[in-house]
Amino acid sequence: GEDVEQSLFLSVREGDSSVINCTYTDSSSTYLYWYKQEPGAGLQLLTYIFSNMDMKQDQRLTVLLNKKDKHLSLRIADTQTGDSAIYFCAETYNTDKLIFGTGTRLQVFP
Amino acid sequence: DGGITQSPKYLFRKEGQNVTLSCEQNLNHDAMYWYRQDPGQGLRLIYYSQIVNDFQKGDIAEGYSVSREKKESFPLTVTSAQKNPTAFYLCASSTLSTGSGNTIYFGEGSWLTVV
Repeated sequence: GEDVEQSLFLSVREGDSSVINCTYTDSSSTYLYWYKQEPGAGLQLLTYIFSNMDMKQDQRLTVLLNKKDKHLSLRIADTQTGDSAIYFCAETYNTDKLIFGTGTRLQVFP
Repeated sequence: DGGITQSPKYLFRKEGQNVTLSCEQNLNHDAMYWYRQDPGQGLRLIYYSQIVNDFQKGDIAEGYSVSREKKESFPLTVTSAQKNPTAFYLCASSTLSTGSGNTIYFGEGSWLTVV
């Protein structure tokens, strides 16, 4: 079945760049997403990328997609303490549902 | 404001009881979803519905039931058959348009604890 994997933790210094990685198994994925979850809250959509693209940039966020390796990354430039949260990668191959990764907890320290 | 409202935010259930979590959306979305989140884990799909009066089981539907009598509402009942119900429950909704991806929007979640 489909599987989405992420590393569990990432710790960065304030002002540095953060790179959160994700791998997926379903080659027929059409859209891939990044969601942010702050403690005790729902998920907030950060950005998404269509599978025929290899890069998408939105202010401090850059998404890179390597479809051949089934690898997705989210780069956050100039990471701030407010970026501390859990980041979920998700994929969809039809309009029915998303498959989520386990989430990466990003901790930003001064 | 448009959005997804879940209630209650916190709920305590005694063993053997059924409880119902409410989810309402005013985004005019066709599809609605229920996910379960356990600490340190990703989201797992319980049930989803793409149209009124129709719904499908997700990956972990056992011990749960849903209804979709209105487009705006998708309540989730956690039955006594669910052996380990303590978790964070997230409701979501989306359009079925594929023009910009199946963007799913989430509510703020409900914490259910068995006591």
